[in-house]
Amino acid sequence: GAGVSQSPSNKVTEKGKDVELRCDPISGHTALYWYRQSLGQGLEFLIYFQGNSAPDKSGLPSDRFSAERTGGSVSTLTIQRTQQEDSAVYLCASSLLAGGPNEQFFGPGTRLTVL
Amino acid sequence: KNQVEQSPQSLIILEGKNCTLQCNYTVSPFSNLRWYKQDTGRGPVSLTIMTFSENTKSNGRYTATLDADTKQSSLHITASQLSDSASYICVVSAKGGGNKLTFGTGTQLKVEL
Repeated sequence: GAGVSQSPSNKVTEKGKDVELRCDPISGHTALYWYRQSLGQGLEFLIYFQGNSAPDKSGLPSDRFSAERTGGSVSTLTIQRTQQEDSAVYLCASSLLAGGPNEQFFGPGTRLTVL
Repeated sequence: KNQVEQSPQSLIILEGKNCTLQCNYTVSPFSNLRWYKQDTGRGPVSLTIMTFSENTKSNGRYTATLDADTKQSSLHITASQLSDSASYICVVSAKGGGNKLTFGTGTQLKVEL
């Protein structure tokens, strides 16, 4: 079956513009995660969704970042009024369940460049 | 603060040689430790997942060890191949919190002829 897919693969935008990044998790996976990988840094947790529960937004760096997951499947990460420091690779992952040693499967990422 | 530190930062070895990558963590309470391989431009791919009760786990030429007392882990790669060139990331999960992961910055491995 298909793995986690993300779109677009690359996005170049101007400072101040809004961007939307999309993630299609593996079918049937109830947990979905967003991470950010800045140059030379480890992956940084942003937000995760588990089923119909309220998302854990504790990793979002500012109120310019938001995410939603419609119908328990596709998720969209939105960054408003982008800043140059938002430039990074944004990775999405999904797992069958949250918690414990459930394996997270990662998508290829979206490389965001803010000029 | 939960942290994961890896060493060395980068490593170059000849094809066919073995190598060992190190990981120290301060994540608490500990749930599990994972090693991921990330090829350039790709998402990370899981190699091994170990819980508190496991002290070694193998996946082909990859063998991970875990010492939960000293909070250290290692990833040993045997008979390296050119395709092993990648970033190897140590990741630790704390109990609770829905499996949020704390990532190390990775060891960049290059295997040369």
